[in-house]
Amino acid sequence: DTGVSQNPRHKITKRGQNVTFRCDPISEHNRLYWYRQTLGQGPEFLTYFQNEAQLEKSRLLSDRFSAERPKGSFSTLEIQRTEQGDSAMYLCASSLSAGGGTGELFFGEGSRLTVL
Amino acid sequence: DAKTTQPPSMDCAEGRAANLPCNHSTISGNEYVYWYRQIHSQGPQYIIHGLKNNETNEMASLIITEDRKSSTLILPHATLRDTAVYYCIVRVANADGNKLVFGAGTILRVKS
Repeated sequence: DTGVSQNPRHKITKRGQNVTFRCDPISEHNRLYWYRQTLGQGPEFLTYFQNEAQLEKSRLLSDRFSAERPKGSFSTLEIQRTEQGDSAMYLCASSLSAGGGTGELFFGEGSRLTVL
Repeated sequence: DAKTTQPPSMDCAEGRAANLPCNHSTISGNEYVYWYRQIHSQGPQYIIHGLKNNETNEMASLIITEDRKSSTLILPHATLRDTAVYYCIVRVANADGNKLVFGAGTILRVKS
């Protein structure tokens, strides 16, 4: 299967610890997105990359959050000094940029974070 | 992006057609209507999209009213595996990074 892959699928951590999630997009996709989803809500946009450039960041992405896509392939999302309010599902998606495809986003299965 | 309004939940009998409505009264002329669904514990999945004309693919049909202020997603023969949250989203295709802005969606429960 060459879909979007996310690791780890589940992470339990104590408040104040740092966590990092990894996303491997579909190989030919140059855009990569991070979303956060809490229970009963739709996914909320956090940020997106085109190749290695981070082109947009949501106000939801506080200073404790940082995302990178160093070689334009996989991406990492790091949360420093985690808080209980960070508990959520973190979803990654990828797509082709303008001019290719339907603009469809392909999502991974997400990384669930629980902060105790 | 224009906002959409969807009912919070709907029930459908297995084997029957599921018709999911979406209002998007402030849609702009260059905005498409996209539908995604999210099955429990999975990421959202693209279903279909359209601009003006009705569209059909192997998963569903999309009916857009002539004034484009509303649309209906039709699952012709719903199965238990179609139980999911269905999101209606409007946006300009291939613009603004292709990002999607999700609302709360409609929880569709298919019952046997």
